[in-house]
Amino acid sequence: GAGVSQTPSNKVTEKGKYVELRCDPISGHTALYWYRQSLGQGPEFLIYFQGTGAADDSGLPNDRFFAVRPEGSVSTLKIQRTERGDSAVYLCASSSLGSSYNEQFFGPGTRLTVL
Amino acid sequence: SQQGEEDPQALSIQEGENATMNCSYKTSINNLQWYRQNSGRGLVHLILIRSNEREKHSGRLRVTLDTSKKSSSLLITASRAADTASYFCATGLTDSWGKLQFGAGTQVVVTP
Repeated sequence: GAGVSQTPSNKVTEKGKYVELRCDPISGHTALYWYRQSLGQGPEFLIYFQGTGAADDSGLPNDRFFAVRPEGSVSTLKIQRTERGDSAVYLCASSSLGSSYNEQFFGPGTRLTVL
Repeated sequence: SQQGEEDPQALSIQEGENATMNCSYKTSINNLQWYRQNSGRGLVHLILIRSNEREKHSGRLRVTLDTSKKSSSLLITASRAADTASYFCATGLTDSWGKLQFGAGTQVVVTP
C-alpha cells in the first residue's frame, strides 16, 4: 500500500510569508505526527493528532505554527510570518492506534527554505 | 530538546565488519526505537524494544536495553555498503503516548 506522502517536497519562501505543508497519512492510521529536523540534528517533535484532535501540541515553538486535521486523515501544518530560523525539513509520520508501542511510519519530508 | 544522545557521532567501517552504536536517555521510557535515515529525508523504522525487554533481534540487527543505566545499543552485524545511513534512537515516554524524542544520530559509512 501507499506510504505517507508529503507535499510539496521543497518549498522556498521569503521571510514574512505564510506557508502550508501537507501530509497524507497511511490509510487507516488514526494517529498523525509532525516533526521538524534541522541539519545535523534528529527530528524534533512538534504536534500529534489522534483522529481530528491535537492530543499533544507541546512541541510547537510559538503561535506562528498551527496544524489542523479536519477530517481525521490529511493534515496541514501552517506557518505564519515565516522566519529564516524556520528553515528545516518538516517530517510527517502516522501510526495505527491500539497500542502504546507506536511504530511510526515517516513520509519523505518537506524541505522548507526561508530566504 | 533532544532526549537521547548517540555515541559515536560518526562511524566508518568496512563491509563485513560489525557496527555498534549507543544511545543514552534521561527520563523514564515506555519503549525505545531505532530508525535509519538516508540522504537526510524520510526515516525508516528498524526495531522497537519495550521497557520490560532487555534484548531483541531482527535479521542482522541486535538491540539491547538497560533501563537501570538508561542506555541502549544497536549492533549491525556483517555490514553492507547499503547500511550507510544515519541511525537515530527515539524514546517513547511514559507520560506522553504519542511523542517520540530523538537523539542527534550516528552517521555510519560502510565502505566496500
